Amino acid sequence: DTGVSQDPRHKITKRGQNVTFRCDPISEHNRLYWYRQTLGQGPEFLTYFQNEAQLEKSRLLSDRFSAERPKGSFSTLEIQRTEQGDSAMYLCASSPGRGRRDSNTEAFFGQGTRLTVV
Amino acid sequence: AQKITQTQPGMFVQEKEAVTLDCTYDTSDQSYGLFWYKQPSSGEMIFLIYQGSYDEQNATEGRYSLNFQKARKSANLVISASQLGDSAMYFCAMRVAGGTSYGKLTFGQGTILTVHP
Repeated sequence: DTGVSQDPRHKITKRGQNVTFRCDPISEHNRLYWYRQTLGQGPEFLTYFQNEAQLEKSRLLSDRFSAERPKGSFSTLEIQRTEQGDSAMYLCASSPGRGRRDSNTEAFFGQGTRLTVV
Repeated sequence: AQKITQTQPGMFVQEKEAVTLDCTYDTSDQSYGLFWYKQPSSGEMIFLIYQGSYDEQNATEGRYSLNFQKARKSANLVISASQLGDSAMYFCAMRVAGGTSYGKLTFGQGTILTVHP
């Protein structure tokens, strides 16, 4: 296993189109996170999966956004009716998660999907 | 809620010199972790170093060390013997334990480090 992988690396789409991104976490990691990063800013949390269950969604995740993690393996993030404001880097991260009091487990990030909405 | 503040938008350092990147944090949680990540222009986030809130010793990883001052709520990254390849964006981040945080990271706005030859 070579780490977290994301596909595609780059996506250019026209406003109003739907896009879907994929994230393959490190295989033994049960925690999976999506973040969004706009130019010059730090990543912002979007949503979290523990195995197949989506346990938290940020207010940043509007109704046009949906994420899934079927069978607790890979995850997809779909954006419907894209807007120019959706242009950003979408980062996926995974971590092993050894319980609720594990503040010390690092998150491993993928290389991100850079979305440009024109 | 947690907050990370990085007050240096950009820093410059001469190759082989040391540089300190500032990070202050705010949380009401007693158990938390502080992380530094490096993000080159290619986009991936590379983990550098971790400091736990209960760790008494400052963390070190090779040329990276974390100057942890709990009372001041600061967690500065020190890079010794800077190399040209250290030029990148650097992010400080926090993760709290327990509750409904689910281990998500809160990031600062980042500091762009440029290493001059």
